[in-house]
Amino acid sequence: DVKVTQSSRYLVKRTGEKVFLECVQDMDHENMFWYRQDPGLGLRLIYFSYDVKMKEKGDIPEGYSVSREKKERFSLILESASTNQTSMYLCASTRDRGLYEQYFGPGTRLTVT
Amino acid sequence: QQQVKQSPQSLIVQKGGISIINCAYENTAFDYFPWYQQFPGKGPALLIAIRPDVSEKKEGRFTISFNKSAKQFSLHIMDSQPGDSATYFCAAETPPGNQFYFGTGTSLTVIP
Repeated sequence: DVKVTQSSRYLVKRTGEKVFLECVQDMDHENMFWYRQDPGLGLRLIYFSYDVKMKEKGDIPEGYSVSREKKERFSLILESASTNQTSMYLCASTRDRGLYEQYFGPGTRLTVT
Repeated sequence: QQQVKQSPQSLIVQKGGISIINCAYENTAFDYFPWYQQFPGKGPALLIAIRPDVSEKKEGRFTISFNKSAKQFSLHIMDSQPGDSATYFCAAETPPGNQFYFGTGTSLTVIP
């Protein structure tokens, strides 16, 4: 059974803190993605990666960075958390480029106070 | 700018009825149109998908209708059940591959 896991289900951080969200997939997938999900806005792509040490900006990369040191792990970093980054964060992976299903993790609900 | 526009935002249907969710897009380069289903506390999961060379795809009670000329596609859920209550997202993918654009989601409630 394919699996994408995220390090935390719920996270509460203070404004200005550095925040790490971790995602691990066990399917040997090439591509990994970070989205944020907000009511009325759907899923918006933050960053994605086609290969180890590669990263591409999505639609809303401002205030975020990513790291992919190993194929199975993709980290999202909030360098200095702000209240407008309070959101649900979803990690996903796909086998390769092309018409492949995205497999999502359960999400991390981040609250920045 | 929303690349994929989805409506309605919420939908209430009686058990046994038909649920219809619509999506529209502008970018004719999109070449893959999946629908994802999300239950509370879970990540989205692929429900059904279609390519633009096909006008309809059916899997059980779920059907995608695709109108390439109108740049619209829709999800039909026949014989809707309370277990179908979830949030549904349409999406579109651009070549060379794998950047997905999602709609804003539709919260479906099926009343027993």
